[in-house]
Amino acid sequence: DTGVSQDPRHKITKRGQNVTFRCDPISEHNRLYWYRQTLGQGPEFLTYFQNEAQLEKSRLLSDRFSAERPKGSFSTLEIQRTEQGDSAMYLCASSSPFWRANEQFFGPGTRLTVL
Amino acid sequence: AQSVTQLDSHVSVSEGTPVLLRCNYSSSYSPSLFWYVQHPNKGLQLLLKYTSAATLVKGINGFEAEFKKSETSFHLTKPSAHMSDAAEYFCVVSDGGYSTLTFGKGTMLLVSP
Repeated sequence: DTGVSQDPRHKITKRGQNVTFRCDPISEHNRLYWYRQTLGQGPEFLTYFQNEAQLEKSRLLSDRFSAERPKGSFSTLEIQRTEQGDSAMYLCASSSPFWRANEQFFGPGTRLTVL
Repeated sequence: AQSVTQLDSHVSVSEGTPVLLRCNYSSSYSPSLFWYVQHPNKGLQLLLKYTSAATLVKGINGFEAEFKKSETSFHLTKPSAHMSDAAEYFCVVSDGGYSTLTFGKGTMLLVSP
């Protein structure tokens, strides 16, 4: 499968612990996006990268959140000192400059549960 | 700023009857509009997209949507629902170029036999 992959698919952690998620985009895509989806809501934008540069961050991304894409390929999203309000599905998407209209391809998501 | 309003949180239809999922958008620019579908425990899948070409857009699985600028609407339709269409549907707007996507809150489509 050459789509967007995310790991892990599920993560259960205790409040106060740190967690890290990984996203592998489609190989030729230079843009990578992170979204958060809570129950009953649509996905909300968190941040995006063009190659290794982080170009935009949402105000939803508090200081406890950090994202990296060190070599312009895979990306990691880390949440420090998790809170129960961080429980959500974290989605990754990628897009290519050769696709018009910013069509984004989504991974299956990582479901985070903070106890 | 861009935003999307999906007018129904739930829509129930019988198998074989038409589907209408309503979406209104707000955008400062000439928008790109999308419909994505999310089946339980599956990733988001693109159904169709509008990119300032034809206003009637055909997508996968028999779905289509019509862009109406005067009404700022982009409603999703299908002539005949199938049980496998039961899922959550998201209307999405982008201000074009490589700007981020803004999702609506979703419409859950329920299909009964």
